[in-house]
Amino acid sequence: GEDVEQSLFLSVREGDSSVINCTYTDSSSTYLYWYKQEPGAGLQLLTYIFSNMDMKQDQRLTVLLNKKDKHLSLRIADTQTGDSAIYFCAEAPLTGANNLFFGTGTRLTVIP
Amino acid sequence: DADVTQTPRNRITKTGKRIMLECSQTKGHDRMYWYRQDPGLGLRLIYYSFDVKDINKGEISDGYSVSRQAQAKFSLSLESAIPNQTALYFCATSDSTGGGTQYFGPGTRLTVL
Repeated sequence: GEDVEQSLFLSVREGDSSVINCTYTDSSSTYLYWYKQEPGAGLQLLTYIFSNMDMKQDQRLTVLLNKKDKHLSLRIADTQTGDSAIYFCAEAPLTGANNLFFGTGTRLTVIP
Repeated sequence: DADVTQTPRNRITKTGKRIMLECSQTKGHDRMYWYRQDPGLGLRLIYYSFDVKDINKGEISDGYSVSRQAQAKFSLSLESAIPNQTALYFCATSDSTGGGTQYFGPGTRLTVL
């Protein structure tokens, strides 16, 4: 299947910006997603970007997509302790059943 | 998302037992999915269903079966549980539009001893 990769851990200080990176292999991806998983909870959709876009901004969140390098990033401005969670990127390939292929998740720790 | 519910939330069972995990949704979506989450592996798709009569295997369907009892209900069964099926299981739903954003339930933590 498609390969979606993320680094496992990221630590930042409160108030700094966090950048979580993701690479994928399927060039036919239609949508790319970022989900957040807080401890003991399910996955919460944070944002998504359509594959013909380069950037999407939503309040403190900025998603950048480099289609040539198949690289997706999520920037969280002014990171807060409540942002501590696991962040998953996922891609929806053009073919298939709207299946999502998930990365391993990046555990973000915000240091007060 | 409160529109997608899973029962039970936690379950401990023994090797060889039959287990059923249930998922219900009030979002009116026609597509439903079962994933398992293991540390360091992300989420992997077990089964998915486009509608009541359309059920498909995902990446890791061996050892699992599903039943789509109604548009709103999708259950996952482990016929004879084994310890390496210890994981966090998520149900998700989506509609049939392009992209198909998926909405997840809160998860069921299953431990097989």
